[in-house]
Amino acid sequence: DQQVKQNSPSLSVQEGRISILNCDYTNSMFDYFLWYKKYPAEGPTFLISISSIKDKNEDGRFTVFLNKSAKHLSLHIVPSQPGDSAVYFCAASGNYGQNFVFGPGTRLSVLP
Amino acid sequence: NAGVTQTPKFRILKIGQSMTLQCAQDMNHNYMYWYRQDPGMGLKLIYYSVGAGITDKGEVPNGYNVSRSTTEDFPLRLELAAPSQTSVYFCASSPPGSDEKLFFGSGTQLSVL
Repeated sequence: DQQVKQNSPSLSVQEGRISILNCDYTNSMFDYFLWYKKYPAEGPTFLISISSIKDKNEDGRFTVFLNKSAKHLSLHIVPSQPGDSAVYFCAASGNYGQNFVFGPGTRLSVLP
Repeated sequence: NAGVTQTPKFRILKIGQSMTLQCAQDMNHNYMYWYRQDPGMGLKLIYYSVGAGITDKGEVPNGYNVSRSTTEDFPLRLELAAPSQTSVYFCASSPPGSDEKLFFGSGTQLSVL
């Protein structure tokens, strides 16, 4: 049973528009969440994180929202750029960093 | 800055062969991890280490062994390779603390035929 779910395997967005990537989790003990971006033939790179004491965290064009009651988080990218085309992984941890559980990823394509 | 370095990038093994995937980091991170990623799946933790001489099993440790003799190196050993071990393997490291994030290597694509 997947503890971290990303139900959209792929998403296509026009350049300049908003990209919204969703992530759901089942384990209420998770208290730290991260998003990673992965380009082909490279390892994932850290994008943004949020702890359970917050409901929003921003870093430039990237914002992560956390809804603890719904066990749902989302990543907003505004405005989307072609260089944002990659696979995005959601990850969660129950003890601030050890034993992250990863979702299956969403492939984002930003069309010029 | 080298970061996390994995070798080899690609490898084909025959069933029953053994090999070691190498991982080295130059950031003086205490924590190191091995993940595998199967198609359409998230990364699954194989083994991790919180420091030299200390290792522990992750979610999918069967068929693998690790050692951590130095802070820098964390090799993953496959004994008696099986087709189910065909995957992309990622090594990662992280500093301890409340704001932890993983730094990944570029991965090893392993096929067992």
